[in-house]
Amino acid sequence: DIQMTQSPSSVSASVGDRVTITCRASQGISSWLAWYQQKPGKAPKLLIYAASILQSGVPSRFSGSRSGTDFTLTISSLQPEDFATYYCQQAHTFPITFGQGTRLEIK
Amino acid sequence: QVQLQESGPGLVKPSQTLSLTCTVSGGSISSGSYFWSWIRQPAGKGLEWVGRIFSSQNANYNPSLKSRVSMSVDTSTNVFSLRLTSVTAADTAVYFCARESVARDGALDIWGQGTMVSVSP
Repeated sequence: DIQMTQSPSSVSASVGDRVTITCRASQGISSWLAWYQQKPGKAPKLLIYAASILQSGVPSRFSGSRSGTDFTLTISSLQPEDFATYYCQQAHTFPITFGQGTRLEIK
Repeated sequence: QVQLQESGPGLVKPSQTLSLTCTVSGGSISSGSYFWSWIRQPAGKGLEWVGRIFSSQNANYNPSLKSRVSMSVDTSTNVFSLRLTSVTAADTAVYFCARESVARDGALDIWGQGTMVSVSP
C-alpha cells in the first residue's frame, strides 16, 4: 500500500496566520492527491483535487502544490471556521489511502 | 444537488454481517462519470477506504477487507450497498458513503453524513 505521511500531526495557530500542512507519499502518485477538511461529527469536505485544483465553492485562501512526492496544503490567512482536521488522500493506486490527519487548533 | 444518505442498523453482533445502504438523490447512480465508495472512521481515528463500485461487475475492495466485503448497485432505486461479513469489534466505526469523481482524478467530492455502526454482543 502507498503510505501517506502528514506533518505535523497537530498545529496551533491564530486567526490571520498562514499555515502549511505537508503530505508525503511513499512512492510516486503523480498528482492524484486530494485534500479534505473534517469538523467534529461531520463528513470530510473536499477542498483540493489533482494536487492543486480548488474545488468549486472553496475559499481561495486554500491552495495546494506538489513537488515530487511531497504535497502541501496552504491556508493563507486562517479564519475561525478553518479550525478542523485535514486529511490528504491518494487515488493513484489501490487501495486508496489517506494520511493520518493534521489537527489545526486555535492558539 | 446530489446528496447521499446512509442507512442501516447501528448495532451488529460479533461474527454477524454488517449491511448498509446509501441512497443517491438529485442525480443518477448510473452516470458513467462516478464511482460509489465506502469509507469508515473509528472513533477518534483516521479515514480508511473500504472500497468502491461502478457497476455490479466492477468493484474494487481494500485488500485488508477483501475476503469479507462486497458491494452492489441497484440502478432501479438509485441505491448502492455495503456488506461486511464476520464482523468484530475492530469494525466498529462511522461508515460514510461517498461519490468518487473521475473528472476530479479520483477525489471524493460528495459525502453522506455518516452512520455509526457498533459491533457488540
